[in-house]
Amino acid sequence: NAGVTQTPKFQVLKTGQSMTLQCAQDMNHEYMSWYRQDPGMGLRLIHYSVGAGITDQGEVPNGYNVSRSTTEDFPLRLLSAAPSQTSVYFCASSYQGSLDGYTFGSGTRLTVV
Amino acid sequence: AQSVTQLDSQVPVFEEAPVELRCNYSSSVSVYLFWYVQYPNQGLQLLLKYLSGSTLVKGINGFEAEFNKSQTSFHLRKPSVHISDTAEYFCAVTFSGGYQKVTFGTGTKLQVIP
Repeated sequence: NAGVTQTPKFQVLKTGQSMTLQCAQDMNHEYMSWYRQDPGMGLRLIHYSVGAGITDQGEVPNGYNVSRSTTEDFPLRLLSAAPSQTSVYFCASSYQGSLDGYTFGSGTRLTVV
Repeated sequence: AQSVTQLDSQVPVFEEAPVELRCNYSSSVSVYLFWYVQYPNQGLQLLLKYLSGSTLVKGINGFEAEFNKSQTSFHLRKPSVHISDTAEYFCAVTFSGGYQKVTFGTGTKLQVIP
């Protein structure tokens, strides 16, 4: 099925551990973004990409890295997990940017203990 | 700086009653506005969007929204809600030149009461 696939769906990390959240889309979308969702704060942009090889920082980039080697994949790396990174993470993609509206993945619920 | 305000964090409404979810934005330039819906344990889905033209925009599942430039608002409405409309609704805005960056509101939880 066409769409945005995120893995894993759930993850528990210890403080200081690193991990990669995976995101893949099969719609040939150029634009991809990572958001985190926290209660009462809506969605906040972490990093985004406008095409393979091009990434930029969003609103809350600290502690996260991204790369975009292919159009399909946009992984998010947590370098050294902290309890403040406990959140639900969403990957989203769009064909021509935000004006098309984004297609969201189903999310990764991350807990850092 | 761009901003979106959803004043109501929760809105309870009886089934088959009308509902309005409020959204206000701040901007000195042209805006593009969106409403997304998030069902429990799912990602967000696009309900409707306003880019230009008619200020009344119709979306999926019987929802509609009206862009009011003078009041900087983009309220979401439905004339008769169903239990299946229970979800969280997010207003979002992007601005001229900022096509990659979308600012989301804090969300409004719609609770439909049988």
